[in-house]
Amino acid sequence: AIRITQSPSSLSASTGDRVTITCRASQGISSYLAWYQQKPGKAPKLLIYAASTLQSGVPSRFSGSGSGTDFTLTISCLQSEDFATYYCQQYYSYPPTFGPGTKVDIK
Amino acid sequence: EVQLVQSGAEVKKPGESLRISCKGSGYSFTSYWISWVRQMPGKGLEWMGRIDPSDSYTNYSPSFQGHVTISADKSISTAYLQWSSLKASDTAMYYCARHEAVAGTNWFDPWGQGTLVTVSS
Repeated sequence: AIRITQSPSSLSASTGDRVTITCRASQGISSYLAWYQQKPGKAPKLLIYAASTLQSGVPSRFSGSGSGTDFTLTISCLQSEDFATYYCQQYYSYPPTFGPGTKVDIK
Repeated sequence: EVQLVQSGAEVKKPGESLRISCKGSGYSFTSYWISWVRQMPGKGLEWMGRIDPSDSYTNYSPSFQGHVTISADKSISTAYLQWSSLKASDTAMYYCARHEAVAGTNWFDPWGQGTLVTVSS
């Protein structure tokens, strides 16, 4: 199975900050990567698929980039509702695998 | 609105059997696959397996093969996850999620609200 790592595992930030989360795959996955946001007690929510395509209804302050093995999720101007845990997921091959998550909390 | 609605929380004893459900609405249930994802307390997301509701073809993660069974009843747009003999280590939140039935499009959207399964003697 393809292993996914994320960094950092957690970060503290303030409203208005620019935040970048990195995801790395153990082998090349082209652009077959998605990003999800999960708030406590809630189901994950799709933010980005195909590495950089914003899901309908997701604010434009979220963006994704990368291909191959290295990917980033950027939140350009952090809002209060963005404090959550973020997961990346590869769907290049079965089984689909998730990164361990990055928790973004309030500084 | 496309929705997946899961059955309610369960409390079971070790060795008991259980089936939880995920009902799709707002779309053609047989045109998309349904996957199940486990989230143990305070932990990350683990893909368990998936089903094609049109023909009930399944794939399982090696980590879950043989321990759970995924099934579907397309007549009522419902997918199931079942255990024949629960263990305490099965205590977790379980999510169903929809994805495209085309290779290379297997991101998950939407997700069900989750079913909390607690296994304790």
